[in-house]
Amino acid sequence: EIVMTQSPATVSVSPGERATLSCRASQSVGSNLAWYQQKPGQAPRLLIYAASTRATGIPGRFSGSGSGTEFTLTISSLQSEDFAVYYCQQYTNRPPLTFGGGTKVEIK
Amino acid sequence: EVQLLESGGGLVQPGGSLRLSCAASGFTFSNYAMTWVRQAPGKGLEWVSAISGSGATTYSADSVKGRFTIARDNSKNTLYLQMNTLRAEDTAVYYCAKVEYDFWSGPTDYWGQGSLVTVSS
Repeated sequence: EIVMTQSPATVSVSPGERATLSCRASQSVGSNLAWYQQKPGQAPRLLIYAASTRATGIPGRFSGSGSGTEFTLTISSLQSEDFAVYYCQQYTNRPPLTFGGGTKVEIK
Repeated sequence: EVQLLESGGGLVQPGGSLRLSCAASGFTFSNYAMTWVRQAPGKGLEWVSAISGSGATTYSADSVKGRFTIARDNSKNTLYLQMNTLRAEDTAVYYCAKVEYDFWSGPTDYWGQGSLVTVSS
């Protein structure tokens, strides 16, 4: 099983500042990496897939990078609606698909 | 507009069974793989099971293998999760989600609102 580790667990950021979230895979997943945003009481929303491709309707302030085992989600200028929990997920063709433990982005 | 509507959740005793359904609309259902993801109260996301568009290929997490079965009825645009021998640790919100293409392993671009399953005596 591929283990996904996200860091930090919580990050405190002021509105308008940049947030950088990390995700590490225990073995290479190539570019088969997605990022999701989840707000309290809501279903997750796909932000990024193929490590760096924004999903439909996702604002340009969200960007993804990385390949292999190291990945980053950057939110360039945090808006009030961006405070949420973010999960990475690997989707190689080796089951199980696995998620990271999540990073909570909170208001500083 | 893509819509996924789960139903069938509720309270069940340990060892019991439950079947979740997910009614899909707004896209050609048979052209896409589908998946179930769960979230225990206050915890992160856990992939449960996935199925290809035709239904010929399925995979499940080891934690549910032999107890849960994923299936689909493309004539009814409906995804199912049959859950048997339920345990307390299966308590979670279960999400139905659409995979972005017809391969069981892929990013999930649309999610249902979730269905709560509580396993307790």
